[in-house]
Amino acid sequence: KAGVTQTPRYLIKTRGQQVTLSCSPISGHRSVSWYQQTPGQGLQFLFEYFSETQRNKGNFPGRFSGRQFSNSRSEMNVSTLELGDSALYLCASSAGPYNSPLHFGNGTRLTVT
Amino acid sequence: DQQVKQNSPSLSVQEGRISILNCDYTNSMFDYFLWYKKYPAEGPTFLISISSIKDKNEDGRFTVFLNKSAKHLSLHIVPSQPGDSAVYFCAASEAGNQFYFGTGTSLTVIP
Repeated sequence: KAGVTQTPRYLIKTRGQQVTLSCSPISGHRSVSWYQQTPGQGLQFLFEYFSETQRNKGNFPGRFSGRQFSNSRSEMNVSTLELGDSALYLCASSAGPYNSPLHFGNGTRLTVT
Repeated sequence: DQQVKQNSPSLSVQEGRISILNCDYTNSMFDYFLWYKKYPAEGPTFLISISSIKDKNEDGRFTVFLNKSAKHLSLHIVPSQPGDSAVYFCAASEAGNQFYFGTGTSLTVIP
């Protein structure tokens, strides 16, 4: 069974631009979560979708948004990029919705210059 | 506010010995706990989980212990192998909703 696939692996953007990251979950998984990892920080929760509905949202500004499609694939968008948005963005899927482990992709490394 | 804490940023252990990684949490409503291993340039890999109805769960060389009264979680790796060298994250959630992660412990297993 294929794992979680994230594209692209690397991105370089400039301040003020916007970016869209993509995530394909494990087949059959209906829950998709997004996390941000920065140096010295743990994984910070962004949001979680289940069956196309946002179930939970972390403490990030409205510039961060996401969506999930009917095939469970998910996208995350960041508008008006700031230097502090440089991070590893990780997508995880789970069989969900409750007490199921998260399975992570290899992430998208975003650099904002 | 960090609800899940890993107070040891790093740990070194001799090959064949036991590695013990620790994790503390503050939210008494957490009832589902996970451990992950992460290599550089890869996403975290799920290792083992435990729910609050148990105090121990084993999977091969990995055992997770949960002390609910102390709000403490630990991962034991026995015997430790050089391939276990990685960053280990603990995570906690309430009913599998939003997961809170610790900042990680870097384990080095010395051959």
